[in-house]
Amino acid sequence: GAVVSQHPSRVICKSGTSVKIECRSLDFQATTMFWYRQFPKQSLMLMATSNEGSKATYEQGVEKDKFLINHASLTLSTLTVTSAHPEDSSFYICSAREGGSLAFFGQGTRLTVV
Amino acid sequence: GENVEQHPSTLSVQEGDSAVIKCTYSDSASNYFPWYKQELGKGPQLIIDIRSNVGEKKDQRIAVTLNKTAKHFSLHITETQPEDSAVYFCAASSPTNAGKSTFGDGTTLTVKP
Repeated sequence: GAVVSQHPSRVICKSGTSVKIECRSLDFQATTMFWYRQFPKQSLMLMATSNEGSKATYEQGVEKDKFLINHASLTLSTLTVTSAHPEDSSFYICSAREGGSLAFFGQGTRLTVV
Repeated sequence: GENVEQHPSTLSVQEGDSAVIKCTYSDSASNYFPWYKQELGKGPQLIIDIRSNVGEKKDQRIAVTLNKTAKHFSLHITETQPEDSAVYFCAASSPTNAGKSTFGDGTTLTVKP
């Protein structure tokens, strides 16, 4: 299957700082990328959908000013958690889709805010 | 919107036995149903998928069946092995929802050696 690389895999940051997570499609052009958040032993919660060159579409209840998403190219999308707080600690996962239904997931990023 | 229910939430089987996980969906327009395996600390990995124009698909020890009328689909794993132990998620995707996938709550499968 196609490869989606997410970086970093783990990050620890201090409260009040911002953290950027990258999601790259390595062997295909991702017209759409999705960002998910996953709490321990729970399912994936879709945060936002980003299409290359346009603004991300956020799901209800997700603060767009807190979770900044940029999809500047067909192979890269970034999620920036701004002014992070301990409650933002979670597992963040991206997925990328070339055009059809099939989406491939990155390895996930474990964010811990201390 | 789409609602996906997944059962059971936990499943324990002996090595070599079969495991079945079932999901139901609510949106009759959903036409794509992937299954993902997630190991601890990793992202979900696509293991098999099925589209609404097909009733069954098989890939070695893994098979998926789809009943469009009843709006349910199932994952079947035969000859289970300890390395099959993981959390499995079903999902449903609908063109009326911009192709976004709605996930089930997951099934924790434990295969005992």
